[in-house]
Amino acid sequence: DAGITQSPRYKITETGRQVTLMCHQTWSHSYMFWYRQDLGHGLRLIYYSAAADITDKGEVPDGYVVSRSKTENFPLTLESATRSQTSVYFCASSDSVRNEQFFGPGTRLTVL
Amino acid sequence: AQTVTQSQPEMSVQEAETVTLSCTYDTSENNYYLFWYKQPPSRQMILVIRQEAYKQQNATENRFSVNFQKAAKSFSLKISDSQLGDTAMYFCAFMKHGAQGAQKLVFGQGTRLTINP
Repeated sequence: DAGITQSPRYKITETGRQVTLMCHQTWSHSYMFWYRQDLGHGLRLIYYSAAADITDKGEVPDGYVVSRSKTENFPLTLESATRSQTSVYFCASSDSVRNEQFFGPGTRLTVL
Repeated sequence: AQTVTQSQPEMSVQEAETVTLSCTYDTSENNYYLFWYKQPPSRQMILVIRQEAYKQQNATENRFSVNFQKAAKSFSLKISDSQLGDTAMYFCAFMKHGAQGAQKLVFGQGTRLTINP
């Protein structure tokens, strides 16, 4: 019972590089989400997806791209990383019945 | 847009004491959900308790209970008989009910709770 996993768990990159964070869930949940966690802000929604091939922007989408070709995967790409994107990134999934989101373990990303 | 405010950045109590964490929110919605999540030092986000706005009865989960005041838009978390393992960051969160996209969570800034031995 893997649940929801994220990879890598830690990543250091340089300004301007492209970075992709992976998220995989085994529950066949229809909804998936990406949040970033920064001191003083709690968690803020970057992008979400209601189903395969359906994605929409959250509160802080600028500088990020997502795709969802398969229900179980929801990768997040930083096309040209900036220092302000240094953060902890959480992926989550939920079904439409209980409306409870289950979170992955997080990825700590540092942009130098 | 909905907002969630946690006015206590940090709290500290002794083991076995009862502690209450505050949360207020702002919304024009009538149907919604409220949640408390716990984030221990491991960083994992763990759901503690949830409340449906249409239910007048306050939710309870073992030592955790909420005081939901819909008219005041207040949703506090009470932890009874606190344990060392309760030491964590606690986040209050709001979710709209219904329409597409309604699964989105809006989080407060968090309260860092420390349980002292």
